[in-house]
Amino acid sequence: AQSVTQLGSHVSVSEGALVLLRCNYSSSVPPYLFWYVQYPNQGLQLLLKYTSAATLVKGINGFEAEFKKSETSFHLTKPSAHMSDAAEYFCAVSPYTGNQFYFGTGTSLTVIP
Amino acid sequence: NAGVTQTPKFRVLKTGQSMTLLCAQDMNHEYMYWYRQDPGMGLRLIHYSVGEGTTAKGEVPDGYNVSRLKKQNFLLGLESAAPSQTSVYFCASSRRDNSYEQYFGPGTRLTVT
Repeated sequence: AQSVTQLGSHVSVSEGALVLLRCNYSSSVPPYLFWYVQYPNQGLQLLLKYTSAATLVKGINGFEAEFKKSETSFHLTKPSAHMSDAAEYFCAVSPYTGNQFYFGTGTSLTVIP
Repeated sequence: NAGVTQTPKFRVLKTGQSMTLLCAQDMNHEYMYWYRQDPGMGLRLIHYSVGEGTTAKGEVPDGYNVSRLKKQNFLLGLESAAPSQTSVYFCASSRRDNSYEQYFGPGTRLTVT
């Protein structure tokens, strides 16, 4: 069975500082991996996805994530935080077979001015 | 394109009442999903559908029923609402491949008193 772990339910960074949100997955076969963002009172929007092409994936709003098979990780980063980045971030895993996504419990990002 | 829409946006029910949530998508997607989102628990899959007339149980199906009579619509029903079903419900859709991302609706906030 798939599982997704997001370390840190709350992360605070200063405006302009590096953003690092952690995601680890459990799977014997590397799955498809996704990061979504949720702004208050809205649905989820796709930030980026890994589908077995390049291990470093670039997404919208300056975010990127690196797939590391040896560490079963897919951490999300952004070099310089902006106030508008404050939101909830979800990591998700989709296996090659089956029809389900598995979401992490989310990380709430606060950006301090 | 409207993407994924959900009706209603808000609803308050008394214990024991029934209701149906409607999800509609205009992207000709094969797969559709219903999730519930609760604080600290991320998104949990209730039911999903891989095509018209086909539905399957997800992680937390008890107390819910679904129907997919038309490809573009996916209905979630609560036959006898309970306070434990107070949550935010999200519908999503995707193409027929696990490498494709899910597109989410704006959510329905349901309160059961």
